[in-house]
Amino acid sequence: DTGVSQDPRHKITKRGQNVTFRCDPISEHNRLYWYRQTLGQGPEFLTYFQNEAQLEKSRLLSDRFSAERPKGSFSTLEIQRTEQGDSAMYLCASRMTGGAETQYFGPGTRLLVL
Amino acid sequence: GQQLNQSPQSMFIQEGEDVSMNCTSSSIFNTWLWYKQDPGEGPVLLIALYKAGELTSNGRLTAQFGITRKDSFLNISASIPSDVGIYFCAGLANTGTASKLTFGTGTRLQVTL
Repeated sequence: DTGVSQDPRHKITKRGQNVTFRCDPISEHNRLYWYRQTLGQGPEFLTYFQNEAQLEKSRLLSDRFSAERPKGSFSTLEIQRTEQGDSAMYLCASRMTGGAETQYFGPGTRLLVL
Repeated sequence: GQQLNQSPQSMFIQEGEDVSMNCTSSSIFNTWLWYKQDPGEGPVLLIALYKAGELTSNGRLTAQFGITRKDSFLNISASIPSDVGIYFCAGLANTGTASKLTFGTGTRLQVTL
């Protein structure tokens, strides 16, 4: 399968714990995006990378959130000191710069904070 | 964050019927995308529109990029049970380095036999 993959697909954690999610984009795509989707809403932009550079961060990305893409391939999203309000689906998408403006999404990681 | 207005919010239709939904924005977009999302899965791209006034088809799906660049429409003809899901529009403003999609609130489609 050559699509965007995310791991884990589901994560249950207790409030205050740290969690880390991974995204592997489509191999030739140099742009990678993170979105958050809460129940009944559309996805909301969190941050994006071009290669290893993080170019934009949303105001939704509090200082407890950090994202990295150290080698310009896979990316990780870490949430420290999780809160119940962090419960959501975290989606990753990728696209090729210069190509069509279409972003392809992974299956998401569903986080539940108890 | 900002979300685009989609209508209707939900609809129940019978198999074989045609479906129309739309998406409106207070700001201009240069690209409109339509996605379908099944429960517990990520959005799957259906149609991409890049030019005002553009009309594009993908099988039974047809979408249009409004000439004001502030709206888009999706039509599904002869619906079938597997059309069930949530349909999202998404706009891309493409200003400066901004490359993020702004999504609509979604239209939930349910198809009865």
